[in-house]
Amino acid sequence: EDKVVQSPLSLVVHEGDTVTLNCSYEVTNFRSLLWYKQEKKAPTFLFMLTSSGIEKKSGRLSSILDKKELFSILNITATQTGDSAIYLCAVDQNTGGFKTIFGAGTRLFVKA
Amino acid sequence: DAGITQSPRYKITETGRQVTLMCHQTWSHSYMFWYRQDLGHGLRLIYYSAAADITDKGEVPDGYVVSRSKTENFPLTLESATRSQTSVYFCASSYDGRNSPLHFGNGTRLTVT
Repeated sequence: EDKVVQSPLSLVVHEGDTVTLNCSYEVTNFRSLLWYKQEKKAPTFLFMLTSSGIEKKSGRLSSILDKKELFSILNITATQTGDSAIYLCAVDQNTGGFKTIFGAGTRLFVKA
Repeated sequence: DAGITQSPRYKITETGRQVTLMCHQTWSHSYMFWYRQDLGHGLRLIYYSAAADITDKGEVPDGYVVSRSKTENFPLTLESATRSQTSVYFCASSYDGRNSPLHFGNGTRLTVT
């Protein structure tokens, strides 16, 4: 069965800390892996990863994919209270139709 | 305003009633999707549409009906609501459904009593 597993499920850190969120997957016909941030409402897109070993970076956030070991990490450096959110990992499959599998998410809380 | 809008934001209904959730996007994206989000399950795809008049089932389609007569609208109907359909429903769109990310609406919180 195809699955995407995120860890930890929840995390509490202090402002300024660095955090690493994990996403492992067992999915047939992998096409890409995506990260989304969900605050109170709609998930918003962060990164799309298709190739192993190439880091994607946006400000204090970065992500990398390992297609051999079937996982991705999302790093957030110098965390701020505004980083508090649920971070969702999703894997797109290369199928005839549309198939994206989401993980359950990691809930991050950053204390001031 | 450009973007994707859902209505209503909140809805309470009784078991057995028919409910329609609305979704409208202004980007002219080809693909539109309906997801439900439940604690412990993450986001699960209900139905999607690749273009007007083309729809297909996702992972959890039972009890739901969709239509897409116009590119910009993608309503989701619960024909006879059940308590297990209490959830947060997200509509999303994407440019081509394969190599582009999803853009989500703000969600509809539905409670079935």
